[in-house]
Amino acid sequence: KAGVTQTPRYLIKTRGQQVTLSCSPISGHRSVSWYQQTPGQGLQFLFEYFSETQRNKGNFPGRFSGRQFSNSRSEMNVSTLELGDSALYLCASSLGPPFSSGYTFGSGTRLTVV
Amino acid sequence: DQQVKQNSPSLSVQEGRISILNCDYTNSMFDYFLWYKKYPAEGPTFLISISSIKDKNEDGRFTVFLNKSAKHLSLHIVPSQPGDSAVYFCAASAQGGSYIPTFGRGTSLIVHP
Repeated sequence: KAGVTQTPRYLIKTRGQQVTLSCSPISGHRSVSWYQQTPGQGLQFLFEYFSETQRNKGNFPGRFSGRQFSNSRSEMNVSTLELGDSALYLCASSLGPPFSSGYTFGSGTRLTVV
Repeated sequence: DQQVKQNSPSLSVQEGRISILNCDYTNSMFDYFLWYKKYPAEGPTFLISISSIKDKNEDGRFTVFLNKSAKHLSLHIVPSQPGDSAVYFCAASAQGGSYIPTFGRGTSLIVHP
């Protein structure tokens, strides 16, 4: 079966710009979560969407937002980019709550802010 | 405040030997624990999980041990293979809470041929 697909794989943006990242979950998975990975902080939870509704939210500023469409595809948006937003952004999907069988992650989008 | 800690940033072992990766947690509400493996340029891959009602779970070469009283878990890989070289993340979640996993910062395992 097809895995979790994230596009684009790499992005370079300028400080102050905004960016949109896309994620297509595994077919049938209705839960999509987003994580930010940086070398010093590991994986930090951004938000989770289920059936087009944000179900959980991490501790990130309002510049980070997301949405989910009726086909479960999800996008996340970061506005007014800062240098510190440079990171690997990972999307993960799951059939149900990910505490026992875990997430399936995409390969991520590497965002560099210059 | 880190609720899930992996205190060893890196670990180096010889092929064929045992690799032991450690993880400590502080939140007593956590009742599910997972390990993920991550290769460069790829997303993490789910490896193995354990619920708090067990103290051991095995899957092939991978075994996870849970010591609830010490709030400590470990992943044992026996025998270690060069292909096991990756970053390993420990994660914990609470079924009764938001259930969103909290991840540790990872341990980079290098298995030498």
